[in-house]
Amino acid sequence: DTEVTQTPKHLVMGMTNKKSLKCEQHMGHRAMYWYKQKAKKPPELMFVYSYEKLSINESVPSRFSPECPNSSLLNLHLHALQPEDSALYLCASSHIFGSGANVLTFGAGSRLTVL
Amino acid sequence: GIQVEQSPPDLILQEGANSTLRCNFSDSVNNLQWFHQNPWGQLINLFYIPSGTKQNGRLSATTVATERYSLLYISSSQTTDSGVYFCAVGDGGATNKLIFGTGTLLAVQP
Repeated sequence: DTEVTQTPKHLVMGMTNKKSLKCEQHMGHRAMYWYKQKAKKPPELMFVYSYEKLSINESVPSRFSPECPNSSLLNLHLHALQPEDSALYLCASSHIFGSGANVLTFGAGSRLTVL
Repeated sequence: GIQVEQSPPDLILQEGANSTLRCNFSDSVNNLQWFHQNPWGQLINLFYIPSGTKQNGRLSATTVATERYSLLYISSSQTTDSGVYFCAVGDGGATNKLIFGTGTLLAVQP
């Protein structure tokens, strides 16, 4: 079983809907990440939280809104998405961020389809 | 920014065969990891290997940092080894973000 849990596994939403993706880890990690992966492509970094503060936003459109309520939880709020936002969204965590030794543990992903 | 290229892009093996996957990177790195993504999308961390050699069962990895490449060896392949193998390197900047390579799609046939 993965130590990073993502819900839901699958999500279908319309372009006017508001939904959220959730991620939880109980490994005591202080850095959490959102990646986006399109079919047949490598994962691309979207956001990084370090000690519950947003450290990196890779110029992601504002229709994606991350939130880190505490050190164990990471949310990605979705609003007014476009069909091209359909992808696998991966959450990851690591002990710390910014070090050469940050080893990532990934969740199983949330597969999003925007109609 | 740092470029990460993997080869071959696709590989088909018969069960029991051995293989070598390669990761080339364009600049010095202090963080290199190998991942396996199974057909359902789960990414599993195989090795953290910025330099040297490590082994875990049928898998082993070697990174020659001075020559900017890493190799992943799979011996006695099994159908469960199928999926995409990614290497990822730290970009060496202030935040040392992980940059993923282009991936190798492996199919192991029974």
